[in-house]
Formats: sequence, C-alpha cells, structure tokens
Amino acid sequence: DAGVTQSPTHLIKTRGQHVTLRCSPISGHKSVSWYQQVLGQGPQFIFQYYEKEERGRGNFPDRFSARQFPNYSSELNVNALLLGDSALYLCASSLTPGTGGLEQYFGPGTRLTVT
Amino acid sequence: AQSVTQLGSHVSVSEGALVLLRCNYSSSVPPYLFWYVQYPNQGLQLLLKYTTGATLVKGINGFEAEFKKSETSFHLTKPSAHMSDAAEYFCAVIRPGGSYIPTFGRGTSLIVHP
Repeated sequence: DAGVTQSPTHLIKTRGQHVTLRCSPISGHKSVSWYQQVLGQGPQFIFQYYEKEERGRGNFPDRFSARQFPNYSSELNVNALLLGDSALYLCASSLTPGTGGLEQYFGPGTRLTVT
Repeated sequence: AQSVTQLGSHVSVSEGALVLLRCNYSSSVPPYLFWYVQYPNQGLQLLLKYTTGATLVKGINGFEAEFKKSETSFHLTKPSAHMSDAAEYFCAVIRPGGSYIPTFGRGTSLIVHP
C-alpha cells in the first residue's frame, strides 16, 4: 500500500510569494495534520483536518491556511512568504483524530526555501 | 500544557555499543509517549509508543523504552548500535483527554562510529 505522499519534494520561492503544498493520506485514513519542521528542531503542529473540517490549529499566523478535499487529500497554503517560513513541511495521516490518531504516518515532506 | 525535553542534541556511540537517548516530559496527567526516527530527507517513522499497561515498551529495529512516572522519563535504548541507526530521534507526548496533538522534543542526532 502507498504511504503518505507529498508534492512537490522541493520548492524555492521568493519573499512575498504564495505557495501551495499538497498531501495525499494513506488509503482509509480520514485525518490529515500538517507540521512545520525548522532545521534543528522538532515538528511544530500547524493544522489538523478531519472530514474536511478543521479540528485543530497551532500557533501560526493567518498567512497559513489549509483545506481537506472529499477524497481526504489536503492542501497547505502560505501567503506573503517570509524568510522564516523556510522549513520542511510534513504531512501526517491517521484513521481519525483523537485516540484513533495516536499512530500518525508521516510523508517525506516538502522542503520549502524562501529567498 | 505538556512539554518534552531531550537531553543532548547529539549522541555519539561506537558500533556495537549501547544506545541511550534521554527524554523527560512535563504533563499534568500521565501522558501518551512516543519515539520517532527521521532519516535524512525523510519523514518521521514511529519507533514505539506507550499508552497504558506495561511500562517497558518494545519497538522496531531492536529499540525499547521504559516509562518511569516517578522520574517523568521515557528514555530510548538499544543494546547494540548499528551503523544504520544513525538518524534523528524525536520524543513526543500527547496529553490524554486533550486535543491529542503531539508535542515534539527538539530531537537528538545519533551518530554511530565504525
């Protein structure tokens, strides 16, 4: 079975631009979470979606937004990019949120570089 | 609020030596605890988790961890390091009854020398 897939793998953007990152969960998983991992640190939670509804949001500015589609895939959008947005963006899927989401399966990530 | 502290940003061992990666947590209730491994240019892979029951948890690749409530610790061990164990290791905590969103530590880079 395919794992969590993310696209693109690498991306270079200029300050002020907009970016869209994509994630496809494991088949049968209905919950998707997004994390930002800055070099040398652990992943920081950005969003969690379940059944197309936002179930959780981390401490990130409104420039960050996301959505989940009927097929449970998800997009993360970041507007007005800053140099500090340079990071590895990880998507994780689980069967459901809550206790059904204790085992999260991570994708390989999208490496975003903002210049 | 919950937090995780991983002592030592880098741990260096010789191949065949004991691996010990330290994790201490802070939580108002007994938490769920996890160890993840991240190889270069890859996402995180779950090594093992503790939810309830036996406090010594065995995971993949020969790793195990012991939940010690009195010490608020969940250290990761492996009796004999292999070159392929070189990676970044993250401890994470989830507070039961809360949002079930994990809080990750800053990570420990395991370096294995031949």
